[in-house]
Amino acid sequence: GNSVTQMEGPVTLSEEAFLTINCTYTATGYPSLFWYVQYPGEGLQLLLKATKADDKGSNKGFEATYRKETTSFHLEKGSVQVSDSAVYFCAHDGASYDKVIFGPGTSLSVIP
Amino acid sequence: SQTIHQWPATLVQPVGSPLSLECTVEGTSNPNLYWYRQAAGRGLQLLFYSVGIGQISSEVPQNLSASRPQDRQFILSSKKLLLSDSGFYLCAWSGGQGSDEQYFGPGTRLTVT
Repeated sequence: GNSVTQMEGPVTLSEEAFLTINCTYTATGYPSLFWYVQYPGEGLQLLLKATKADDKGSNKGFEATYRKETTSFHLEKGSVQVSDSAVYFCAHDGASYDKVIFGPGTSLSVIP
Repeated sequence: SQTIHQWPATLVQPVGSPLSLECTVEGTSNPNLYWYRQAAGRGLQLLFYSVGIGQISSEVPQNLSASRPQDRQFILSSKKLLLSDSGFYLCAWSGGQGSDEQYFGPGTRLTVT
């Protein structure tokens, strides 16, 4: 079937620490992969995406590489800030026409 | 540029009362539209999606319904709310035509008492 698995957390890091949030997926075909971010009390925002194998998406210091061989799209940031505290969702669009499959979300809390 | 609006932002309703949440999109035509629910501390649950006026697909059987009376308007309704309907309701749109990212509204926080 089509699904997205990611560590649910919560993840707590100190400011300037290195962040990795793991994401793996199952999908039919060759999906596009996404990371969305949700700040407290708000809707989701697209953080980055990759549309084909070995593509690297990047934005605001975050990066993720589309790994077809391991069906993974892990999110990384070299030095997190307090303002990065949010819930991060991994997703893909390979399920069917016009639908996106979201992971359960990973809550990140960055402390000063 | 495209924008998506949802209202109200917050709502407190008693059990058994009706519900109507509205979502409108500006700056695009013939979007795909989606309703999601996010329970406290949980992920996203797709409730309904629509690829055109009057075309609604339901993902989860429940006491909610959706309608799309106009191209850029999507309404979520209920005749009688349950306590379990409490949550954060998110509307989203995408450009359709296959693979594409979704753009989310600010959400409506619904508390059923």
